Amino acid sequence: GENVEQHPSTLSVQEGDSAVIKCTYSDSASNYFPWYKQELGKGPQLIIDIRSNVGEKKDQRIAVTLNKTAKHFSLHITETQPEDSAVYFCAAGFNKFYFGSGTKLNVKP
Amino acid sequence: DSGVTQTPKHLITATGQRVTLRCSPRSGDLSVYWYQQSLDQGLQFLIQYYNGEERAKGNILERFSAQQFPDLHSELNLSSLELGDSALYFCASSVGDLVRETQYFGPGTRLLVL
Repeated sequence: GENVEQHPSTLSVQEGDSAVIKCTYSDSASNYFPWYKQELGKGPQLIIDIRSNVGEKKDQRIAVTLNKTAKHFSLHITETQPEDSAVYFCAAGFNKFYFGSGTKLNVKP
Repeated sequence: DSGVTQTPKHLITATGQRVTLRCSPRSGDLSVYWYQQSLDQGLQFLIQYYNGEERAKGNILERFSAQQFPDLHSELNLSSLELGDSALYFCASSVGDLVRETQYFGPGTRLLVL
């Protein structure tokens, strides 16, 4: 099955800086790569996703890049704000998802 | 609020017992997914139902079973519970049966097995 690795496990940045979270996957059949944000006590919430026919996607301060050849994809958050503090999960899959282990992002005011 | 509801919010039970977790998808969504989130294993896909039928299976134990009813709500049954089953259980829903459609997660049920 698919194996998704996510790094780093924790990330601390100053407000206004950028944050980058990276994931690798093993199954070349995976064609859908969503990113989820999970705040304390809540369920994961989709923040951005990318499909295998696209190399990059942006939504305001959030962007995701995908390199299918190298089997890795990344989440970029620019101009971070304290409310971005949460756990972020990447996932990859074809007919079911496999999640990364999560990155706890702390944005210091 | 995602529109997905899960009950109960918290559940405390003993080893060997059986529990049922309930999920109501967003209005109009036909797919329901169940996930387990534990500290040591992260978020794991258990099973997907689409319009009443099982569509995909993940790392679901034989002691666990699920179903989706004609009104599209779903139940996850966990039996012969073990300490290691303590976790957060999430359900998610989406409009269709393709995994690349947006999945909306509920708030979860926290299960503690003592």
